[in-house]
Amino acid sequence: EAAVTQSPRSKVAVTGGKVTLSCHQTNNHDYMYWYRQDTGHGLRLIHYSYVADSTEKGDIPDGYKASRPSQENFSLILELASLSQTAVYFCASSYRGQDTQYFGPGTRLLVL
Amino acid sequence: GDQVEQSPSALSLHEGTGSALRCNFTTTMRAVQWFQQNSRGSLINLFYLASGTKENGRLKSTFNSKESYSTLHIRDAQLEDSGTYFCAAEAIYGNEKITFGAGTKLTIKP
Repeated sequence: EAAVTQSPRSKVAVTGGKVTLSCHQTNNHDYMYWYRQDTGHGLRLIHYSYVADSTEKGDIPDGYKASRPSQENFSLILELASLSQTAVYFCASSYRGQDTQYFGPGTRLLVL
Repeated sequence: GDQVEQSPSALSLHEGTGSALRCNFTTTMRAVQWFQQNSRGSLINLFYLASGTKENGRLKSTFNSKESYSTLHIRDAQLEDSGTYFCAAEAIYGNEKITFGAGTKLTIKP
C-alpha cells in the first residue's frame, strides 16, 4: 500500500509570512503532486514533479513554489502567504504520470 | 472551461439500495480515476480505468472514452459509503495532469 505522509497536519500562518508544507513518500514513485482543496470543491493542481531537482507548474501555480530535493520529498512553499491561500493541501504520488495517484492525509492551512 | 462535469452534486440513499454517479468530459480523456473522500477528509483511490469496466465488491466503474463519460455504480449501500466521490481524468493530449470534478456528496441513511 502506498504511503504518503504530510507535515504539518495543520498550520495557522500570518498574512505575508512564509509557509513550507512537506510531503514524504516511501514508494519509489517518480511522480509527486501538490493540490489544494477549497471547501466544497474538488482538487486543483498547483505543482508537480516527475524527477528530483525538477518541478512543473500545474493549473494554479501563482503564489506557490515547489521543491523536489529527492525522489522521496516534495515541498510546497508559500513565500508570502495570503488570506486566499487558506485551504486544505494534499500531496500525492504515482509510479508514473498515467497511473493511480495515492494521496497523503492533507494539511489544513489557515492564513490570518 | 471545465473539462470534468460530475452529477449529481448530492445524493441521498437508504442502506441496501444503490445508484450511479456520473462524470461527463468535454474533451477526450485517456483515463479516469475515482476517489472517495471520507468523513476524516482522506482521499481513497477506488478505481483507475483506461477503458472498459472494473468491479470491486459493491462498486463498479465504467469508462467510455469515445462517448466521453464514466460512471460509478454503488450497490447495497452501507453507512460507511457516505462521503464525497470525485472523478479525475487525464486529457488525451494532456501532459500527465489530471483534472478533478467538483464531486458528488453521498449520504447513506439507515
